[in-house]
Amino acid sequence: GENVEQHPSTLSVQEGDSAVIKCTYSDSASNYFPWYKQELGKRPQLIIDIRSNVGEKKDQRIAVTLNKTAKHFSLHITETQPEDSAVYFCAASWGKLTFGQGTILTVHP
Amino acid sequence: GAVVSQHPSRVICKSGTSVKIECRSLDFQATTMFWYRQFPKQSLMLMATSNEGSKATYEQGVEKDKFLINHASLTLSTLTVTSAHPEDSSFYICSARDRERGRGPQHFGDGTRLSIL
Repeated sequence: GENVEQHPSTLSVQEGDSAVIKCTYSDSASNYFPWYKQELGKRPQLIIDIRSNVGEKKDQRIAVTLNKTAKHFSLHITETQPEDSAVYFCAASWGKLTFGQGTILTVHP
Repeated sequence: GAVVSQHPSRVICKSGTSVKIECRSLDFQATTMFWYRQFPKQSLMLMATSNEGSKATYEQGVEKDKFLINHASLTLSTLTVTSAHPEDSSFYICSARDRERGRGPQHFGDGTRLSIL
């Protein structure tokens, strides 16, 4: 089955800095890669997603890049704000989602 | 946008009790719903895939007789934790995919925090 590795497990940045979270996947059949933000005790919220026929996607301060050959994808958050602090999960899917282990992002004011 | 409603949000009960959790898609039809379990400070682990009108598909290591899933309509799936024990305490989250969007994004419910005493 699919295996998704996510790094780093924790990330601490100063407000205004950029944050990058990286994931690798194992199953070349995976064709859909969403990123979720989860605040404590709440549901995961989709923040951006990318399909395998696209290499990069951007939505305001958030961007995702995908390298199908290397089987890795990354989340980039620019101009971070304290409210960006949360746990971020990557996932890979061709039918069902397999999640990475999560990254605890802390943005210090 | 697509809304998934999950109830109850919190359950505290004695060991041996069976607990039923509902997951509803409010503004779309979901042929497929998913049930996840999340332990503290861990990732979401898929337990089973619920298919409308057919048997659920369980992930390896998940006991189908322990976690009963019923997906009787295009908007409702239920998970029943039978004879729950303290080790079943966890955060259970469902998700649903809009059948009009094929293999598009999954929309998550608010989750159910289950505590077995």
